[in-house]
Amino acid sequence: DAGVIQSPRHEVTEMGQEVTLRCKPISGHDYLFWYRQTMMRGLELLIYFNNNVPIDDSGMPEDRFSAKMPNASFSTLKIQPSEPRDSAVYFCASSLRGSNTGELFFGEGSRLTVL
Amino acid sequence: LAKTTQPISMDSYEGQEVNITCSHNNIATNDYITWYQQFPSQGPRFIIQGYKTKVTNEVASLFIPADRKSSTLSLPRVSLSDTAVYYCLVVRQGYQKVTFGIGTKLQVIP
Repeated sequence: DAGVIQSPRHEVTEMGQEVTLRCKPISGHDYLFWYRQTMMRGLELLIYFNNNVPIDDSGMPEDRFSAKMPNASFSTLKIQPSEPRDSAVYFCASSLRGSNTGELFFGEGSRLTVL
Repeated sequence: LAKTTQPISMDSYEGQEVNITCSHNNIATNDYITWYQQFPSQGPRFIIQGYKTKVTNEVASLFIPADRKSSTLSLPRVSLSDTAVYYCLVVRQGYQKVTFGIGTKLQVIP
């Protein structure tokens, strides 16, 4: 398996623009997580899905952020409108319920810079 | 879930053993201690998990005392490639939500 695949790897945009980050989880995994990482706040959980259904979105910063999972192999995180304080690395991870350890498998991240 | 506390940073010379201690005073009966490693420009990756006593794999050892209120990740004979951030997490059995803290930034010096 190719692992968790995220795109784009890097995105530079201007304030006010819409940003869409994409994630393909590992085939067969039934949980998908979106995290945001900054120097100041570390790695924060934004939202996670189980079987394509959002379970906990309490970490989503505000209404400008939205996440969807239309099917088991694809998820998006959208920011509209983007602001400079949204600059961060956004990670997607997936896991399989019933695994012995609950291990999360992370993608390589999408580095977002909002000017 | 129990909150974890670990040092923000550590330095070590190559070839030395490194021990990173994490405290989790409010750990519950069905909680496991889990450690992740994150290299620069990569996502975190799982390295080890334990419930009590000692667990060892090809990457590290994890020591957990009987009261389980703390744990120690041990990396034998570190090399420059072990420079990374190490996260200590408490994970509840059957509960998929996983939260990370700031972690411990380990710098290995030649």
